[in-house]
Order: sequence, then C-alpha cells, then structure tokens
Amino acid sequence: DTAVSQTPKYLVTQMGNDKSIKCEQNLGHDTMYWYKQDSKKFLKIMFSYNNKELIINETVPNRFSPKSPDKAHLNLHINSLELGDSAVYFCASSQGADNSPLHFGNGTRLTVT
Amino acid sequence: AQSVSQHNHHVILSEAASLELGCNYSYGGTVNLFWYVQYPGQHLQLLLKYFSGDPLVKGIKGFEAEFIKSKFSFNLRKPSVQWSDTAEYFCAVRLYNFNKFYFGSGTKLNVKP
Repeated sequence: DTAVSQTPKYLVTQMGNDKSIKCEQNLGHDTMYWYKQDSKKFLKIMFSYNNKELIINETVPNRFSPKSPDKAHLNLHINSLELGDSAVYFCASSQGADNSPLHFGNGTRLTVT
Repeated sequence: AQSVSQHNHHVILSEAASLELGCNYSYGGTVNLFWYVQYPGQHLQLLLKYFSGDPLVKGIKGFEAEFIKSKFSFNLRKPSVQWSDTAEYFCAVRLYNFNKFYFGSGTKLNVKP
C-alpha cells in the first residue's frame, strides 16, 4: 500500500496552460506539504497544511494554489504555467508531533514546453 | 534565517571505501535531525533520524550519524560503501515545535564498482 501517493507521475504541458497535481496519504498524518525540487536537486518548501488549514506559505507565485479538502488530501493547482515551473514536485506528510519525519510521495515531474 | 549546509556537493568513492558526509545547521534551539536518501529517479526515503538521547544514531543499510550539539553538526557515516549506495543524500532539520523542515542542498554520491 502506497503511503503517500501523487498523480500524475509525469506531466508535460505547454506554457500558459493550467494543470493540477493530486496527493493523498493514508498514514493518518495531520500535516501535508508541497516541495519543489529543481534541476540542481535543491528542495524548497512551497506550502504546508495542518488539518486542512494553511500554515506555511513560502514565497511562491500566486499562480500556485493549494487546496486541502480534508487532512488526507492536498492538491496543487498551477495557473498560466511558465518554463521556470519545470521541476519535480513532491508531496509529503508528517504527524504534528516533533518526532515525526516527513514521508514523501514519488514525485510529479512537470515539464513545461 | 535558519539554514542547513552540506559542504560536499559531489563525492566519488570506490566500493568498500568509508563515507562521511557533513551537515551543519544554524539554529540554536532544540532540533530534530534527519538524513534522507534519493536514489536516481525516486523519491526521498528516510535513512535515519535523531530526536533525543544517544547522539549516535543508526539507520538503515548500515548508515549511522552523530549529533554534535556544540558543533551544530549531524554528519552521516558508513564504514564501507557499496555501488548500490549511489544516490543523492539530504540532511534535514526540523525546528522543535514547528511543522517546517529545512533541507540542505544535497550531496551526490557516486560509488565506483
């Protein structure tokens, strides 16, 4: 059973399009995250939700909009895609307690042409 | 601002060589510390974690790490690497009482057979 699953795995689209990535976790965690990994493998946090409430919103263009319908799901919608949005996007989850690590999904490789 | 530094960007070793990857962080308070591994084309997986107690922690696949509070360091070690250890390694710090994980820039390890 996949603990943190995200879809799609690959996403190829043209500039200007709008796309969504979905994430679901079955670990019972209360906190979910979106991370962006660029071509140099640098991991940058984008958003975090705790029990459906946004708690971290880093400096991300407002073309990116997260949505958490419940604590097991955190989706990412991106409007007006740009070339620079090409990256691997990882969903992750953790329990709110301080001794809980991050559990990552398999990633979504987004390519904007 | 809090930061996590991994000084070795690219390490090349022969099989059976010993490994030590450096990690330093800049936060003066209580922290949780993690090492993650990312095999080519895969997601990040937890190698080991430190929360409290014995500063020498053992993880999976023969890896261990030592927390030295006075040096703000959490270096990763393995006595004898294998070709299958070829991957990217990330150090991460979670500030106590915060749901935010800071990642280092990663160290790429290539093990030659």
